[in-house]
Amino acid sequence: QSVLTQPPSASGTPGQRVTISCSGSSSNIGNNTVNWYQQIPGTAPKFLIYINDHRASGVSDRFSGSKSGTSASLAISGLQSEDEAAYYCAVWDDSLNGVLFGGGTKLTVL
Amino acid sequence: VQLVESGGGLVKPGGSLRLSCAASGFIFSSFNMNWVRQAPGKGLEWVSSISSRSTDVHYADSVKGRFTISRDDAENSVYLQMNSLRAEDTAVYYCASGIRERPGGAMDVWGQGTTITVSS
Repeated sequence: QSVLTQPPSASGTPGQRVTISCSGSSSNIGNNTVNWYQQIPGTAPKFLIYINDHRASGVSDRFSGSKSGTSASLAISGLQSEDEAAYYCAVWDDSLNGVLFGGGTKLTVL
Repeated sequence: VQLVESGGGLVKPGGSLRLSCAASGFIFSSFNMNWVRQAPGKGLEWVSSISSRSTDVHYADSVKGRFTISRDDAENSVYLQMNSLRAEDTAVYYCASGIRERPGGAMDVWGQGTTITVSS
């Protein structure tokens, strides 16, 4: 079964660096590029990262992405209160022949 | 650059709805288009994608055979025909544009969403 696994929650204090992981398999992350989205409650998702580590237009350089094998990570440095949101990884899955979203990670800024 | 969804509402189980998404501010015909939904309190779930020129369409297993995606490049619009609706289809439905001709999970522009409630 094709699944992207993210931790349900993460937290950090202002100024800290946090990372959010996304674990998949050879049919998705292992063979395709990873994208990341930010969703503030009550709003539409926002495009953050594409092709594993490319920032979307207008996205702060505090956000960075990486991929290794069948896992990917989103890092947020210099954490700010406005970063409090849910973060989702998304990738094409060759077995499903469709897009797979991770379950989402709710980031809390303490 | 904007996407505006319409067509949401309350529908009884087994009923049908057609969602529309109107695009503006970019070359609509060059990019794949997607529908993504979010059930109340849940995460994002991909529903369907259509490539530019409608050469490829893809569906999540949960909607295959019930939903049909289409696009009209002359109208800069993408549609989602939803039949045999179930309670579990209740969600906010987002339209999102891709960054390439073929879908791949990268969606750079999102609409505000339209709510579908399936209930008797």
